[in-house]
Amino acid sequence: KQEVTQIPAALSVPEGENLVLNCSFTDSAIYNLQWFRQDPGKGLTSLLLIQSSQREQTSGRLNASLDKSSGRSTLYIAASQPGDSATYLCAVVLPSGTYKYIFGTGTRLKVLA
Amino acid sequence: NAGVTQTPKFRILKIGQSMTLQCTQDMNHNYMYWYRQDPGMGLKLIYYSVGAGITDKGEVPNGYNVSRSTTEDFPLRLELAAPSQTSVYFCASSPYSPTSGSPEQYFGPGTRLTVT
Repeated sequence: KQEVTQIPAALSVPEGENLVLNCSFTDSAIYNLQWFRQDPGKGLTSLLLIQSSQREQTSGRLNASLDKSSGRSTLYIAASQPGDSATYLCAVVLPSGTYKYIFGTGTRLKVLA
Repeated sequence: NAGVTQTPKFRILKIGQSMTLQCTQDMNHNYMYWYRQDPGMGLKLIYYSVGAGITDKGEVPNGYNVSRSTTEDFPLRLELAAPSQTSVYFCASSPYSPTSGSPEQYFGPGTRLTVT
């Protein structure tokens, strides 16, 4: 059974720091992996999607990498800002035909001004 | 463009009551999903649909039912509410299969349900 874990569960950093969020999955047979942002009391917003054949994706100050063989993905946030404060979730998509996303438990990030 | 809308935003139910959580999307997406999110946890898939008339179970379907009579609507039914169903419920839609090139999901704002 595929399990997705995110460490740390919570993180507090001063503004301007570069930081890394981790996502681990137990079964390397994934189709792709997505990173989401969730603001308090809100739904999820997709940040980056990495196909299983890709190693990384970038969007602005965000960079996500994927190492399928080791079952790991990282989300790198450069020059963090207070507006980056949110919960970040990763989700893996199981192989073709199942249409199922498995979510991690999330990392709650607070960037201090 | 409203995207994915969910009603109600909040609801308190007594044990044994029933209710329907509504979800509507105006993007003509074939794929729709219901998730629940318990405090401090990730999302767990309850049910999903790949098109009108087609639904299937996710990870945690017990105690819930769904229907998909139109492309736009995907209601979630709780028949006999239990305290274990206290959670935040999210509906999502996607234009493509998760295994296509761009399976981005669009989420609704959620329904916060308390069963006492």
